[in-house]
Amino acid sequence: QKEVEQNSGPLSVPEGAIASLNCTYSDRGSQSFFWYRQYSGKSPELIMSIYSNGDKEDGRFTAQLNKASQYVSLLIRDSQPSDSATYLCAVNNRGSTLGRLYFGRGTQLTVWP
Amino acid sequence: DGGITQSPKYLFRKEGQNVTLSCEQNLNHDAMYWYRQDPGQGLRLIYYSQIVNDFQKGDIAEGYSVSREKKESFPLTVTSAQKNPTAFYLCASSMNSGASQETQYFGPGTRLLVL
Repeated sequence: QKEVEQNSGPLSVPEGAIASLNCTYSDRGSQSFFWYRQYSGKSPELIMSIYSNGDKEDGRFTAQLNKASQYVSLLIRDSQPSDSATYLCAVNNRGSTLGRLYFGRGTQLTVWP
Repeated sequence: DGGITQSPKYLFRKEGQNVTLSCEQNLNHDAMYWYRQDPGQGLRLIYYSQIVNDFQKGDIAEGYSVSREKKESFPLTVTSAQKNPTAFYLCASSMNSGASQETQYFGPGTRLLVL
């Protein structure tokens, strides 16, 4: 049973464009949603978290959450070559008392100059 | 300088050998986790610990063992029973405040290769 699904990519966009990364999840009671960026050979680093329906903006990054559709997305505006990485979507499981996260397989993004 | 450290960065295992991966954190976090990542795959949970002297199996615990004798440390042993151990191993920690909004932070990882 797959908990979190991401568009597999790879996604390739030109420098300056908007990159759109999508994620769906199966547990309707999920409460917390995270986007991690992972450069090749490195560990994931948190770039965005979102807990309420709507948009959350942080610099060039915007996370969008729609709990009714069980959908969360990440938009990267003015994409830069340094944004080239794999982006992992992670979702908190409602039934967990731990704060257990379920991860998608990731979407590989390439931003070309 | 707070954070999570993992060692070694690369580890080579011979057939039939047990190896131990180190994870230390000075963030004063109660919860710690071990994940495994295979190429093109998401992170899969091996073991987790909410508090000292307590730990629970994750989704793929077979062939692995852990201990949590100190709050700061959560070593992972890859036993000879794990037949396909080649992977990138990631340790993470979180406050374990009980809040659903709790964030996990990752160490730099250990890459395990089989000789």
